Amino acid sequence: SQTIHQWPATLVQPVGSPLSLECTVEGTSNPNLYWYRQAAGRGLQLLFYSVGIGQISSEVPQNLSASRPQDRQFILSSKKLLLSDSGFYLCAWSVLLNEKLFFGSGTQLSVL
Amino acid sequence: GNSVTQMEGPVTLSEEAFLTINCTYTATGYPSLFWYVQYPGEGLQLLLKATKADDKGSNKGFEATYRKETTSFHLEKGSVQVSDSAVYFCALSANQAGTALIFGKGTTLSVSS
Repeated sequence: SQTIHQWPATLVQPVGSPLSLECTVEGTSNPNLYWYRQAAGRGLQLLFYSVGIGQISSEVPQNLSASRPQDRQFILSSKKLLLSDSGFYLCAWSVLLNEKLFFGSGTQLSVL
Repeated sequence: GNSVTQMEGPVTLSEEAFLTINCTYTATGYPSLFWYVQYPGEGLQLLLKATKADDKGSNKGFEATYRKETTSFHLEKGSVQVSDSAVYFCALSANQAGTALIFGKGTTLSVSS
């Protein structure tokens, strides 16, 4: 069966520090991968999605970047965190683009 | 552009009450519509979906009908339980190349016994 792993579960980082959140999927090949951010009062915002290795689509210009170095690995990064980067980050995968998504358990990021 | 608008919460109900969470959308073409649910401390999971007009998605006692004439996909349940307490997200897929799933802001449901 397919599983998705996302870590860490919680993270507290100072402003200006770097960020790396990792997400891996098991039990499937060539999944579509997504990073969403859930900020208080702002709902669920798509940040990046990827349909294949090295292919990244950015939905919102911002302080973050994403990479897909392997088929089932999706990394969210920042060189210098901002206070506004605080939020709940969710990784997801799907077989077909934008069809049934399977979400990870999320990372609560607090930038202080 | 494509967008999803959900009723703002929180919605507070007693057990066995009737639930409606409104969702309307704006999209070109023929989108697919979804409801996702996020239980406390967990990620989102698909609750139900509908892919064309007049389709009814259903799961776990929840239902939603794809109404193209009113551009709506309201979520309903006849009798809620405490275990239904969660955040519910309406979502849209425009089914167009290069576009991604768009979520509403979410509606928090709190059910008390």
